[in-house]
Amino acid sequence: AQTVTQSQPEMSVQEAETVTLSCTYDTSESDYYLFWYKQPPSRQMILVIRQEAYKQQNATENRFSVNFQKAAKSFSLKISDSQLGDAAMYFCAYRSAGGGTSYGKLTFGQGTILTVHP
Amino acid sequence: DTGVSQNPRHKITKRGQNVTFRCDPISEHNRLYWYRQTLGQGPEFLTYFQNEAQLEKSRLLSDRFSAERPKGSFSTLEIQRTEQGDSAMYLCASRGLASTQYFGPGTRLTVL
Repeated sequence: AQTVTQSQPEMSVQEAETVTLSCTYDTSESDYYLFWYKQPPSRQMILVIRQEAYKQQNATENRFSVNFQKAAKSFSLKISDSQLGDAAMYFCAYRSAGGGTSYGKLTFGQGTILTVHP
Repeated sequence: DTGVSQNPRHKITKRGQNVTFRCDPISEHNRLYWYRQTLGQGPEFLTYFQNEAQLEKSRLLSDRFSAERPKGSFSTLEIQRTEQGDSAMYLCASRGLASTQYFGPGTRLTVL
């Protein structure tokens, strides 16, 4: 079974600064997807960024980028120019890309609470 | 707003009562997932529907839990004889052909 580990329960950053959230995962599969989701307090979970394991290029979405190290099974999220609205719980998630009985369910890490200081 | 809706948003019930939650996915999405999230933790998978067929159930889904998706549209999750340990946020997500799941706002269940 796959596992996802987020070793930083809490992180903080000053507004306009850069912060990196860590995620490691364990799998024996070669084809999969990795995601970062953001869950603001009492609000809906939304997708921040997605990475396909077969792609060597790191995904980027505006101020959000990832550092995907497949051999090390590491998938960190970098937030540049942090804004107050970035404050939330961030979850790293894994999804098998194979068929069979995986059906695309997500396996989540424990989450990292990000605080942004003005 | 992701386009996935869930009702009710909050439910308070007494131990032993039955509760039912509803999820309305994005209309063109044929894949629907239920997850449970306890305070300060990541969501855990409960069950998966492809159209109206329930294809996977987690061992977390005890026999007190049942889920349906009639006609492959909305889905319901029922918990019978609720226990205090059932208190959690119940999340629904839907997915089309792409890999991304879109989550609803969740139903927060409190069992007294």
